[in-house]
Amino acid sequence: SQTIHQWPATLVQPVGSPLSLECTVEGTSNPNLYWYRQAAGRGLQLLFYSVGIGQISSEVPQNLSASRPQDRQFILSSKKLLLSDSGFYLCAWARTIQETQYFGPGTRLLVL
Amino acid sequence: KQEVTQIPAALSVPEGENLVLNCSFTDSAIYNLQWFRQDPGKGLTSLLLIQSSQREQTSGRLNASLDKSSGRSTLYIAASQPGDSATYLCAVKVSGAGSYQLTFGKGTKLSVIP
Repeated sequence: SQTIHQWPATLVQPVGSPLSLECTVEGTSNPNLYWYRQAAGRGLQLLFYSVGIGQISSEVPQNLSASRPQDRQFILSSKKLLLSDSGFYLCAWARTIQETQYFGPGTRLLVL
Repeated sequence: KQEVTQIPAALSVPEGENLVLNCSFTDSAIYNLQWFRQDPGKGLTSLLLIQSSQREQTSGRLNASLDKSSGRSTLYIAASQPGDSATYLCAVKVSGAGSYQLTFGKGTKLSVIP
């Protein structure tokens, strides 16, 4: 069966510090991968998606970047965090764009 | 731009009651629609996926309907239980150039009172 992992589960970082969130998927190959952010009082917002190694598409301009160094690894990064980067970050995978997306447990980020 | 609205934002019902959650979307050119459940501080769990050509999907006590022409979907929960308490999210996948993107509503927070 397939599983998706995210770490860390919780992170508190000062403004201006760097960020690296990791997402890995097990039990499948060449998945579509997604990063979402859920901010308080807002719906989930798609940040990045990837259809293959090294292929990243950004949905919104922002202070964040994403990378996919391996088939089942998706990383969300920032060089300098802003207060507005606080939120709940969710990674998801899907076999194809037509099929269901499966979500990880999320990382709660608080920028102070 | 696709917008998804969920009404009500919060709902409290006694255990055993049947209930309906509503979702509406502005652009009917969707590929599919999904209902998710989110427990506090957790990720999302997919409940039902309805393709644009389908009218409804059922799983256990859950039934989701889709009326693409009117831009509406409902999630029906039969014989509600306290374990159903969670936030329910509706999301549509647009077709065409934006086909990779799911657009989510803000959710309905359901509380089932024992």
